[in-house]
Amino acid sequence: KAGVTQTPRYLIKTRGQQVTLSCSPISGHRSVSWYQQTPGQGLQFLFEYFSETQRNKGNFPGRFSGRQFSNSRSEMNVSTLELGDSALYLCASSLTGQGNYGYTFGSGTRLTVV
Amino acid sequence: QQQVKQSPQSLIVQKGGIPIINCAYENTAFDYFPWYQQFPGKGPALLIAIRPDVSEKKEGRFTISFNKSAKQFSLHIMDSQPGDSATYFCAASSRLTGGGNKLTFGTGTQLKVEL
Repeated sequence: KAGVTQTPRYLIKTRGQQVTLSCSPISGHRSVSWYQQTPGQGLQFLFEYFSETQRNKGNFPGRFSGRQFSNSRSEMNVSTLELGDSALYLCASSLTGQGNYGYTFGSGTRLTVV
Repeated sequence: QQQVKQSPQSLIVQKGGIPIINCAYENTAFDYFPWYQQFPGKGPALLIAIRPDVSEKKEGRFTISFNKSAKQFSLHIMDSQPGDSATYFCAASSRLTGGGNKLTFGTGTQLKVEL
């Protein structure tokens, strides 16, 4: 059974640019959550998608957005990149995101903003 | 109120020792407490988890102790091995108004097991 796949693994972008990260959840999982991991702030919840709808959003500016497709694959987008957006972005999938707490994380996308 | 406080920040033990990592929380709405293990270059992997109506759970060499009244929980690693060297995160799950759950993570503990 394939795990959670995140692409690309590494990205280097310039301030002001935008970036799109991709996540393919485990087959059959319908909930996809995104987390940002930095040395200073640790792991922080960005948002969660279920059945193509954003159900919940963390305390991040509107520059951070995402979407989910009918096959449950998800993308997150960060516009007008800032140096502070440099982080490991992690995607986690679960069957329904509620009642079932078996979140499986991908290996993440390491974003560096220069 | 949404924080989960984790200690120590780093820990070095000898092979065969029993490292203990502690976490504390304030929000009584948390209803599930998982521990994650993360190796460099990898995402966090679920290690073991406990619900607040249980005081202890064991899975292999990993044990969670949970004290609901004190709002504290801890991870014990029995007979630790060099391969256990990793960063460990405690977390707490809360239900969100839109449905679904969110994990609130502790700040992590870097464990090194020496030969």
